[in-house]
Amino acid sequence: QSALTQPASVSGSPGQSITISCTGTSNDVGGYNYVSWYQLHPGKAPKLVIYDVSDRPSGISNRFSGSKYGNTASLTISGLQAEDEADYYCSSYTTTATLVFGGGTKLTVL
Amino acid sequence: QVQLQESGPGLVKPSETLSLTCTVSGGSISSDYWTWMRQPPGKGLEWIGSVYYSGSTNYNPSLKSRVTISVDTSKKQFSLKVRSMAAADTAVYYCARALTDWLPWDWGRGTLVSISP
Repeated sequence: QSALTQPASVSGSPGQSITISCTGTSNDVGGYNYVSWYQLHPGKAPKLVIYDVSDRPSGISNRFSGSKYGNTASLTISGLQAEDEADYYCSSYTTTATLVFGGGTKLTVL
Repeated sequence: QVQLQESGPGLVKPSETLSLTCTVSGGSISSDYWTWMRQPPGKGLEWIGSVYYSGSTNYNPSLKSRVTISVDTSKKQFSLKVRSMAAADTAVYYCARALTDWLPWDWGRGTLVSISP
């Protein structure tokens, strides 16, 4: 199972919006509405920010939103804040009943 | 919110077996799925596998021949064993509570495991 494809890095200024893409195949992202997004800060426990393509866990800011079109899912963060600077990973359920992650995207808040 | 803490050796010799334990607090282990992921230095996350509280397991096919995940509900712990460790297995290993096989929800902070030369 190949890793999902994410851009290595994205950046934006405070207050702006950014979007991170996550491209897979019909065997994973395109075949199921089971895409999740995780935020990783160094030395901290990873945090789930989006699940089932577009749902937010309790306590996650509504500045985080998710969507999917075909084999590509996207995470959008609006009103960028310094605390959003982190690594972001997408994940998807697959036809082999396993979980696959993306390669990760480093978000820099300028 | 459930808290998870990984424990185990930080250094393992080549060809030996890595044994890690994840201790669960703040909630019950007698429900949900319990899963392991890892992240090699400078690389992305990789799903290793999961165990349902009843004991049934599901593994990443690329690691299945070398991995065992088990759960001990009486101790509120679940564990990971990786046999025949090699340099490519150097990584931060994370444990997590998952609502399904594909939805890790609460994560531990991770523990770095390196292979000794």
